[in-house]
Amino acid sequence: SQTIHQWPATLVQPVGSPLSLECTVEGTSNPNLYWYRQAAGRGLQLLFYSVGIGQISSEVPQNLSASRPQDRQFILSSKKLLLSDSGFYLCAWRGWSETGYTFGSGTRLTVV
Amino acid sequence: KQEVTQIPAALSVPEGENLVLNCSFTDSAIYNLQWFRQDPGKGLTSLLLIQSSQREQTSGRLNASLDKSSGRSTLYIAASQPGDSATYLCAVSTHLNTGFQKLVFGTGTRLLVSP
Repeated sequence: SQTIHQWPATLVQPVGSPLSLECTVEGTSNPNLYWYRQAAGRGLQLLFYSVGIGQISSEVPQNLSASRPQDRQFILSSKKLLLSDSGFYLCAWRGWSETGYTFGSGTRLTVV
Repeated sequence: KQEVTQIPAALSVPEGENLVLNCSFTDSAIYNLQWFRQDPGKGLTSLLLIQSSQREQTSGRLNASLDKSSGRSTLYIAASQPGDSATYLCAVSTHLNTGFQKLVFGTGTRLLVSP
């Protein structure tokens, strides 16, 4: 069966520090991968999506970047965090033969 | 631009009641609609997926309907239990400019079922 792993679960980082969040998927190949952010009191917003290794598209301009170094690995990064980067970050995948989305357990990021 | 609205924003009911959560979307060109549950501080758990060609899906005490032409979906929860307390999110799968798909979410309905 397919599973999705996200880590860390929680993170407290000072303003200006770097960020690296990792997401890996098991049990499927060539999945579509997504990074969403859920800010306090707001809905889920799509940040990045990837349809293959090295293929990253951004939905909104921001302080973050994403990379996909392996087929089932998706990384969210920042060189210098801002207070506005605080939120709940969720990774999701959708396989080519599936039409539903599966989400990871999320990372709660607090920038102080 | 696809927009998804969920009503009500919050709902508090006594245990045992049947209840309906509503979702509406502005663009009927969707691939499918998915209902999720989110517990506080947790990720999303998929409840039901309705393809654009389907009218409803059922899983246990949950039933979701889809009227694509009118841009509406409802999630029906029968005989509610305190364990049903959570935020329920409706999301539609729509196309990106690149031709690929993405989910657009509503802001959710926060449900509290009291014993």
